Amino acid sequence: GAVVSQHPSRVICKSGTSVKIECRSLDFQATTMFWYRQFPKQSLMLMATSNEGSKATYEQGVEKDKFLINHASLTLSTLTVTSAHPEDSSFYICSANRVTHNEQFFGPGTRLTVL
Amino acid sequence: SQQGEEDPQALSIQEGENATMNCSYKTSINNLQWYRQNSGRGLVHLILIRSNEREKHSGRLRVTLDTSKKSSSLLITASRAADTASYFCATDTGFQKLVFGTGTRLLVSP
Repeated sequence: GAVVSQHPSRVICKSGTSVKIECRSLDFQATTMFWYRQFPKQSLMLMATSNEGSKATYEQGVEKDKFLINHASLTLSTLTVTSAHPEDSSFYICSANRVTHNEQFFGPGTRLTVL
Repeated sequence: SQQGEEDPQALSIQEGENATMNCSYKTSINNLQWYRQNSGRGLVHLILIRSNEREKHSGRLRVTLDTSKKSSSLLITASRAADTASYFCATDTGFQKLVFGTGTRLLVSP
């Protein structure tokens, strides 16, 4: 089956530092990946759509300079939270769209805690 | 907000009972999907129903879709303790962008 991995699974950082989260499709190519954030006991909110070889498309209200997205290859997208603050603490989940199937495959998520 | 709504927000039942969750959405859709999420984990895709379908089955899962009412329901029959999780509906309005519902937290007690 299609597998999407995320690294790291958990990260704790100090306020003001930057954190990079990787999302990889392990056994298929993904021209499009999506980044979501989820606060405790809440739903997933789409942050941005990551397209291989082009700039990401951000949802309304998401700061593109704070959440940098790079889709370097057909199997890797990265989300960098720049100058992280405690309010950025959240669960970040990526998903990858396999073109041959009308289905998104989700990564296991990354728990970010900013102290 | 385009986010869909689900009800109930929380549901507590005994093993063996059926669990029904409802989802309402706001815009036209290509398809509607249901996902399951165990606490603090990623999402598991359960079932997809296309906009021209009215009902779909997968094992103990039954999904209905009423596009005229912009609503869907997920029925889990003969529930098990292992079904305890949060369940989300998600609508695909095009370009594979998913809009998630608010979720239902299901607790199945032995």
